[in-house]
Amino acid sequence: EAQVTQNPRYLITVTGKKLTVTCSQNMNHEYMSWYRQDPGLGLRQIYYSMNVEVTDKGDVPEGYKVSRKEKRNFPLILESPSPNQTSLYFCASSLGQGARKAGELFFGEGSRLTVL
Amino acid sequence: GNSVTQMEGPVTLSEEAFLTINCTYTATGYPSLFWYVQYPGEGLQLLLKATKADDKGSNKGFEATYRKETTSFHLEKGSVQVSDSAVYFCALSDIGRALTFGSGTRLQVQP
Repeated sequence: EAQVTQNPRYLITVTGKKLTVTCSQNMNHEYMSWYRQDPGLGLRQIYYSMNVEVTDKGDVPEGYKVSRKEKRNFPLILESPSPNQTSLYFCASSLGQGARKAGELFFGEGSRLTVL
Repeated sequence: GNSVTQMEGPVTLSEEAFLTINCTYTATGYPSLFWYVQYPGEGLQLLLKATKADDKGSNKGFEATYRKETTSFHLEKGSVQVSDSAVYFCALSDIGRALTFGSGTRLQVQP
C-alpha cells in the first residue's frame, strides 16, 4: 500500500529538548516536504527536498532542520524546541515534476507536537 | 507572490443540501489548482485537480472548474452527506514554486 508514515503521532516535550519526527514514503517519490498546520493559517511549508542531498527552506524554516540521506526518508529535527513550535506537522511526498505532479501530494497522518 | 483565499467556515448544511465553497487565487504564472480534503484525525487527501483554464475537476460527486477570467476554483457538490464533514483546502501549484494552500474551510453536515 502506498503511504507516507510519520512517527511519533503524538508527542509532548519540554522547551529545549531536542526531538526528531521521522517521515518515510514507499512510493519512490523524489519530492518530500514538511508542513505545519495551525488554526486559521492553513498549511505552511517548513522545508522541502527535491531529491537526495537536496533540501531547501520553505516559508517558515526558523527553528527546524532537515536531512535527506536516503530517498525514502526525510526527518524533521527540532534542535531546541520552543512553545511556538506547538503545532500539527505533516510530511508529504510527490513525484515532483512540473506544476501538476508537484501539486499531487501524498500526506502522512500528522504528528501533533506540544512543547511546554 | 502566489496566494489562495477561501471562504471562512464553518459551513453548516443539512444532509442533501447543495454545497459551494468559494476559492479565489492570485498567481503570476499559469498554476494548476487543487482541492484537498482532511477528515478528522487524518492527513490531507487530494480530492480533485485542474491543470488549465476551463478544465473541470471531479471526484466523489464534487466538482470545481478552473476559471481564469475570475481567478476562481469554487468547489461544489449537489447533495452532501454526513460523511462529507471535513476541512477542505484549496491550493495552487506553479512551476518552480511550492504548493500554496488556502486557510481551509470546515464543512459540517447535519443529518
